[in-house]
Amino acid sequence: DGGITQSPKYLFRKEGQNVTLSCEQNLNHDAMYWYRQDPGQGLRLIYYSQIVNDFQKGDIAEGYSVSREKKESFPLTVTSAQKNPTAFYLCASSSRIYSNQPQHFGDGTRLSIL
Amino acid sequence: GNSVTQMEGPVTLSEEAFLTINCTYTATGYPSLFWYVQYPGEGLQLLLKATKADDKGSNKGFEATYRKETTSFHLEKGSVQVSDSAVYFCALAQGAQKLVFGQGTRLTINP
Repeated sequence: DGGITQSPKYLFRKEGQNVTLSCEQNLNHDAMYWYRQDPGQGLRLIYYSQIVNDFQKGDIAEGYSVSREKKESFPLTVTSAQKNPTAFYLCASSSRIYSNQPQHFGDGTRLSIL
Repeated sequence: GNSVTQMEGPVTLSEEAFLTINCTYTATGYPSLFWYVQYPGEGLQLLLKATKADDKGSNKGFEATYRKETTSFHLEKGSVQVSDSAVYFCALAQGAQKLVFGQGTRLTINP
């Protein structure tokens, strides 16, 4: 079955440490997105990519970095500059960037601070 | 810019009750509208969508009608089940602009 796989499901970060969240899709989608979800809140866009080797900042990109070396993969690094990283992180993809087609989501990674 | 306003939760109902979750939007032109559902500990799943005025999206007993005159896309279900307990998000997409989500409405169904 086609879909989006996020790993790990749970991740713990120590102070001053960078951590990387994995996102892989086999839907052959061009566009991929990273969202942050805080308790009781909606989704906020961190970064998005419309094609390989291209990505753009979303609304809350500070303290995060991404890469898009392969169509299937869009990893997110939470750097030590992100002072409040505890949240639920969701990766999504769509056939084209910001088209009227729906986005497909992974099951998320929950990041906590040790 | 585009925006989505959802009914504030949490909403608690008894099994077999009628459900309505209100969603209104602000946008120029004719955006596409979506309802997503998020079960505990999971990502979002597309529940239904509508791409033009007067379209009705439906899935798993849920329905929503795209009302241009009232800029609304309210989610309804005639008889809810315990398994419908989740967080529901209304969302809007328009051309090259980003997908805009509402704040989410937490629904709890008691047996």
